[in-house]
Amino acid sequence: KNQVEQSPQSLIILEGKNCTLQCNYTVSPFSNLRWYKQDTGRGPVSLTIMTFSENTKSNGRYTATLDADTKQSSLHITASQLSDSASYICVVSAVTSYDKVIFGPGTSLSVIP
Amino acid sequence: DVKVTQSSRYLVKRTGEKVFLECVQDMDHENMFWYRQDPGLGLRLIYFSYDVKMKEKGDIPEGYSVSREKKERFSLILESASTNQTSMYLCASRRDPPGEQFFGPGTRLTVL
Repeated sequence: KNQVEQSPQSLIILEGKNCTLQCNYTVSPFSNLRWYKQDTGRGPVSLTIMTFSENTKSNGRYTATLDADTKQSSLHITASQLSDSASYICVVSAVTSYDKVIFGPGTSLSVIP
Repeated sequence: DVKVTQSSRYLVKRTGEKVFLECVQDMDHENMFWYRQDPGLGLRLIYFSYDVKMKEKGDIPEGYSVSREKKERFSLILESASTNQTSMYLCASRRDPPGEQFFGPGTRLTVL
């Protein structure tokens, strides 16, 4: 069964600190993995995308890694800001006739001053 | 920039009412999607459409129907709303797989 799991479920960190969010998946055959950021009351917005051959991708203070062998990904946030408070969703696509997309449950991040 | 708009941000309906949720995208995308998002469950796909007048069931289509008469517009219909359909509904569009899905702001539907 295609599944995406994320940990932790929620996280509180101090402004300026770093944090790492985890994503494990059992999606096959793998197509790509995206991390989305969803602010409260808004739709998700894509941060990064990685395909099978990529193992790291950065977008400003966000760095995503992918280990396709262990089927794990992480999202590292450097020097967190209050605006990083959001839900972060790991999304994995499977190669099917129509590129099936499986969403993780998300990690809720709160950055406090 | 891609813009996906949804007809309402908040909606309150009574059990048994027919509910229409509309989604419009302005980037000539082929594919459009309807999801519902519930705490702890993530986004679950209700229906998707890969072209005008085409529709495919997602993972949880029961109690819903859709309509795509024009490329830019994808409507979600609850024929007879029930309390277990209280949720956040998100519409998305993309040009084609495996492209990024662009999401609307969501409609928070409450069924009393």
